[in-house]
Amino acid sequence: DSGVTQTPKHLITATGQRVTLRCSPRSGDLSVYWYQQSLDQGLQFLIQYYNGEERAKGNILERFSAQQFPDLHSELNLSSLELGDSALYFCASSAALSGMVNEQFFGPGTRLTVL
Amino acid sequence: AQTVTQSQPEMSVQEAETVTLSCTYDTSENNYYLFWYKQPPSRQMILVIRQEAYKQQNATENRFSVNFQKAAKSFSLKISDSQLGDTAMYFCASAYSGAGSYQLTFGKGTKLSVIP
Repeated sequence: DSGVTQTPKHLITATGQRVTLRCSPRSGDLSVYWYQQSLDQGLQFLIQYYNGEERAKGNILERFSAQQFPDLHSELNLSSLELGDSALYFCASSAALSGMVNEQFFGPGTRLTVL
Repeated sequence: AQTVTQSQPEMSVQEAETVTLSCTYDTSENNYYLFWYKQPPSRQMILVIRQEAYKQQNATENRFSVNFQKAAKSFSLKISDSQLGDTAMYFCASAYSGAGSYQLTFGKGTKLSVIP
């Protein structure tokens, strides 16, 4: 158990819908990363938040957005869903911005299926 | 931009034998980090081993060790005394401090099967 929690574990929805994935980082971790794992694209970085502020963006679609709340939990919002958005979405947390001590601890992931 | 390449989509090894997984990377950064992650059938991402690029000594964690060749931009993982529990996808990844973010760039993965 990494200490990172993600809900829900599984999500099945239809094209065109909107969903919200939730992540609670390890206690004390300020940084949250979101990754997408799909058959087509492999594992890719989407976005990072640090202490409530967006820190870095990767290959994140405009239909996707995220935020980090004062209690440090984060939500990834996916809208106008397409079949190709079906994937495993991981959240990872780390203690701070820099330094090798900042191992990223991964949550169990949310499996999104778009029908 | 960083890229990570794993040229072996699948590999198999007999239990108790040794196997080496290959990884090459490309980066223009001087200060970067390399990782091997394991993803068993449960889909959980587990850090196996990491290497700081500025360190010449190869990292070792119990049965897992790396061969880090900085000039060749190669970072292979050796698993000794393979166990059935080592069956998993293995991802090589890199990270660097770009504006304070250590986002990981992953390879496509190598599916390792340990045969009893």
